Amino acid sequence: GAVVSQHPSWVICKSGTSVKIECRSLDFQATTMFWYRQFPKQSLMLMATSNEGSKATYEQGVEKDKFLINHASLTLSTLTVTSAHPEDSSFYICSARDPLYRYEQYFGPGTRLTVT
Amino acid sequence: QKEVEQNSGPLSVPEGAIASLNCTYSDRGSQSFFWYRQYSGKSPELIMSIYSNGDKEDGRFTAQLNKASQYVSLLIRDSQPSDSATYLCAVRRSQGNLIFGKGTKLSVKP
Repeated sequence: GAVVSQHPSWVICKSGTSVKIECRSLDFQATTMFWYRQFPKQSLMLMATSNEGSKATYEQGVEKDKFLINHASLTLSTLTVTSAHPEDSSFYICSARDPLYRYEQYFGPGTRLTVT
Repeated sequence: QKEVEQNSGPLSVPEGAIASLNCTYSDRGSQSFFWYRQYSGKSPELIMSIYSNGDKEDGRFTAQLNKASQYVSLLIRDSQPSDSATYLCAVRRSQGNLIFGKGTKLSVKP
């Protein structure tokens, strides 16, 4: 299957600071990437859909000014958590669709964010 | 009615048995169906995709799709303790976004 990488795999930051998470499709070009959040023992929650060269589409209830998404190239999308608070601590996972194989969707390894 | 429904489990099977995981969906326009495996603390991994009615086999895994009944299942033969994980059913709407079920937790006992 296609490979999606994510960096960093974990990060600890202080309340009020910003954190950037990178998501890369390594062996395919992804016009569409997705950002999910998952709290312990809970389901995946789609935060936003990121389209290359255009603004991201956010799901209801997700603050677009707090979770900044940039999809500047066909292989890179970034999620910036601005002015992080302890309640933003979660597992953030990106995902990308492979257009050359029926748009099957592959996940990155995830980033565990802890805000102190 | 939830869009994609799965029994949350836990489903417990002995090692070597067949594990049967089920999923129903509400959108008749759905065209693509996927099973992901998620180990605790890890991200989901795509293990099976199925697009047409019938069975699709890949090693110990068999996905079954019945569009008339809006039902998709995953069978795991010769279950191993390493198969213990949460299995997520996902359905693609005609518009393209994946809709996930809440997952079924599978425990394979040695």
